[in-house]
Amino acid sequence: SAVISQKPSRDICQRGTSLTIQCQVDSQVTMMFWYRQQPGQSLTLIATANQGSEATYESGFVIDKFPISRPNLTFSTLTVSNMSPEDSSIYLCSVAVSDRRRLAFFGQGTRLTVV
Amino acid sequence: RKEVEQDPGPFNVPEGATVAFNCTYSNSASQSFFWYRQDCRKEPKLLMSVYSSGNEDGRFTAQLNRASQYISLLIRDSKLSDSATYLCVVNTEGNQFYFGTGTSLTVIP
Repeated sequence: SAVISQKPSRDICQRGTSLTIQCQVDSQVTMMFWYRQQPGQSLTLIATANQGSEATYESGFVIDKFPISRPNLTFSTLTVSNMSPEDSSIYLCSVAVSDRRRLAFFGQGTRLTVV
Repeated sequence: RKEVEQDPGPFNVPEGATVAFNCTYSNSASQSFFWYRQDCRKEPKLLMSVYSSGNEDGRFTAQLNRASQYISLLIRDSKLSDSATYLCVVNTEGNQFYFGTGTSLTVIP
C-alpha cells in the first residue's frame, strides 16, 4: 500500500487567485495522478505527473490552468490557476502501486471553494 | 460511451438486507477490476479487487463476467456502517484507472 499526505485539506479562495495543492507519498512511485471530483460526480483525471518530464494532461485540461510539478518520486504539486467558481471541487492526488495487480491509492483530497 | 457505467442509485435498504450493485465497462482489454468505497467528504478507499473466479470477503462478494463486461458487488446482512458510495473501477493495460459515477447506498435502521 501507499500512504499519501495531501494538503491543504480545504480552502476558500477568491476568484482570480491561484492555489497550490501538495501531495507527499511515503514511498517512491513512478506515476502520480491528479483527479477532480465535482459534487455528485465521479473522478475525472486531470493529468499524470511524470518525474523528470512534463505532466501528461487529459482532454479538457491544460498546463496553463493546472500546472503540475514533480520534482522527485515522492512529491507532486497541482496548482489551480486564475480560479473561478467553476473550479470549486475536490482535488485528489493518487498513486498506482503494483502488488499482484496495480492498485490506486488516494490522498485525503482538497476541498476547494472559489468565491 | 463512458468507460465505466454504474447505476447511481440511491439505494436505501433496511439493516440486514442484501443489496447488489452492477457495473459495466466498455474496454474489452481491461485487465483489473475493483470496488472502492467512498464515504462522504472522504477519499476513495479500496474495498476489494474483483477476480474472474469471483471472490468473497466476509459479507461482500464480487464477481466479474468478462464475456458480458460486467462486474457486480453483493453486500449481505447490510450494516449502518455500509452506508457510502461504491465506485466501480477498471484498470486498462496502461496505467489509467477509470471510475464509475458511484452507487450511493444508505442503510436504514
